[in-house]
Amino acid sequence: DADVTQTPRNRITKTGKRIMLECSQTKGHDRMYWYRQDPGLGLRLIYYSFDVKDINKGEISDGYSVSRQAQAKFSLSLESAIPNQTALYFCATSDGTVKSGANVLTFGAGSRLTVL
Amino acid sequence: AQSVTQLDSQVPVFEEAPVELRCNYSSSVSVYLFWYVQYPNQGLQLLLKYLSGSTLVKGINGFEAEFNKSQTSFHLRKPSVHISDTAEYFCAVTPGIIQGAQKLVFGQGTRLTINP
Repeated sequence: DADVTQTPRNRITKTGKRIMLECSQTKGHDRMYWYRQDPGLGLRLIYYSFDVKDINKGEISDGYSVSRQAQAKFSLSLESAIPNQTALYFCATSDGTVKSGANVLTFGAGSRLTVL
Repeated sequence: AQSVTQLDSQVPVFEEAPVELRCNYSSSVSVYLFWYVQYPNQGLQLLLKYLSGSTLVKGINGFEAEFNKSQTSFHLRKPSVHISDTAEYFCAVTPGIIQGAQKLVFGQGTRLTINP
């Protein structure tokens, strides 16, 4: 099984619908992140969490919310999806207990979301 | 704030030829630097990282990168590429005093295509 698992891998939805993307990890890492990838823009950070009670906004959090249900689970929600949220979404983890490990990300395989 | 520029959006190369993927960054503080690779339909995985010490960093799959502080560059090189190196490559930078990926900035990506 993958260290970082994202579901669903692909989703097509309509404008205005609520969407949840889920992420679970078996790395035992305390830090989890949600990124968005758009062609030509690289990856941009949406939200991050350093533990279950710690949630922080990233560069592009508007229109998104997150929930850290457990150390191993971090979900991303789009309350009312819009077409410009069509993108590839990645969950990632890092190990905050190791000085150099905190900066190194382990990524899931991605969730491709299309909003019509 | 940090920024990263990958100077080439696409690089086509013949198999067994050398390749260099260019990355320049800007920062007012010391930095950690990373190269990640994204194979088709997969998440990103770490190729190599520079945290401190030797400016020549060796990574997986025969890749290496050189940190040049005076030119604020971190170019990625491989002396002989294979078809399997076809992927998108991302350069990323974060302030060296930050433990965690919350300030990690990704470049736009370089698509490396290896032709037989």
